Amino acid sequence: GAVVSQHPSRVICKSGTSVKIECRSLDFQATTMFWYRQFPKKSLMLMATSNEGSKATYEQGVEKDKFLINHASLTLSTLTVTSAHPEDSSFYICSASATSPRGEQFFGPGTRLTVL
Amino acid sequence: LAKTTQPISMDSYEGQEVNITCSHNNIATNDYITWYQQFPSQGPRFIIQGYKTKVTNEVASLFIPADRKSSTLSLPRVSLSDTAVYYCLVYNTNAGKSTFGDGTTLTVKP
Repeated sequence: GAVVSQHPSRVICKSGTSVKIECRSLDFQATTMFWYRQFPKKSLMLMATSNEGSKATYEQGVEKDKFLINHASLTLSTLTVTSAHPEDSSFYICSASATSPRGEQFFGPGTRLTVL
Repeated sequence: LAKTTQPISMDSYEGQEVNITCSHNNIATNDYITWYQQFPSQGPRFIIQGYKTKVTNEVASLFIPADRKSSTLSLPRVSLSDTAVYYCLVYNTNAGKSTFGDGTTLTVKP
């Protein structure tokens, strides 16, 4: 079945640094990738939708200059958290979807970001 | 986007059948319904997807009435390892995305 990987699985960084998270679809071409963040015991919150070769579409309230998304190929999307602060600490999850009217998404395992 | 509403939590015992219902009153004509399972500190895992009537796979069944304003995920004979959060998502074809609701925390007891 469809497999999506994320790297790293866990990262700890100092406040003010930038962190890049990779999301890869391993066995299919993902025309669309989604980025979510999840706080403890809360649901997933959609941050942005990215289509290969075009700019990401951010949800209301998500700072595009803070959370840089690049979807350069059909198998790779990256999320860069710039100038990270402790409030950016969260569980970040990506998902990938092939062209389909059914919108089936396959999720990565998530990345735990801790900003000190 | 169609807003989904699910019970916050459910309890069950091993071996029982569990039915989790999701309401999506403003579902659009072309929208599909998908259910996911999530364990702590993991990404959601696809369970089943449907458009109408009944869909069955090796792990679950999905029942969707004719008006499509709700859907019911049925898990036969649950085990302790089925303890997780279950989300129903409605994919909006026009918007090209889905929105997660609050999910249902299922606790299976021995």
